[in-house]
Amino acid sequence: SQTIHQWPATLVQPVGSPLSLECTVEGTSNPNLYWYRQAAGRGLQLLFYSVGIGQISSEVPQNLSASRPQDRQFILSSKKLLLSDSGFYLCAWSVPNGYQYFGPGTRLTVL
Amino acid sequence: GNSVTQMEGPVTLSEEAFLTINCTYTATGYPSLFWYVQYPGEGLQLLLKATKADDKGSNKGFEATYRKETTSFHLEKGSVQVSDSAVYFCALSDLKGTYKYIFGTGTRLKVLA
Repeated sequence: SQTIHQWPATLVQPVGSPLSLECTVEGTSNPNLYWYRQAAGRGLQLLFYSVGIGQISSEVPQNLSASRPQDRQFILSSKKLLLSDSGFYLCAWSVPNGYQYFGPGTRLTVL
Repeated sequence: GNSVTQMEGPVTLSEEAFLTINCTYTATGYPSLFWYVQYPGEGLQLLLKATKADDKGSNKGFEATYRKETTSFHLEKGSVQVSDSAVYFCALSDLKGTYKYIFGTGTRLKVLA
């Protein structure tokens, strides 16, 4: 069966520090991968998606970037965090039937 | 472009009450529709889905019917439990290409004992 992992589960970082969040999927090949952000009291915002290694599409301009160095690995990064980057970050994957499956999330607090 | 509109929350109900959470959508073509549930501190779980008009998705006592004529996919449950307290998200996808989802803003449900 397929599983999706995200780490860390929680993170507290100072403004201006770098960020690296990792997402890995097991039990499937060539999945589509997605990063979402959920700000406090708000809905889900799609940040990035990837249909293959090295292929990244950005949905909104922002302080973040994404990379996909391996088929089942998706990384969300920032060189300098802003207060507005705080939120709950969710990784998701899908296969050709299109249903998205979500990881447990990372709660990021920028102070 | 495509969009999803959900009723504002929070929705507060007593145990065993009837639940309706409204969801309407705007889309070109024939999207698939989904309800996801997010329990406190967790990621999203697929609750139910419908891929074509008049389909009814159901799971764990929840139901939603794909109504093309009213562009709606309202979530219903006949008798809610305290354990149903969560945030519910309506979403659509064209299930083609990148399979991107468009999510609603979510509706928080609180069920009181």
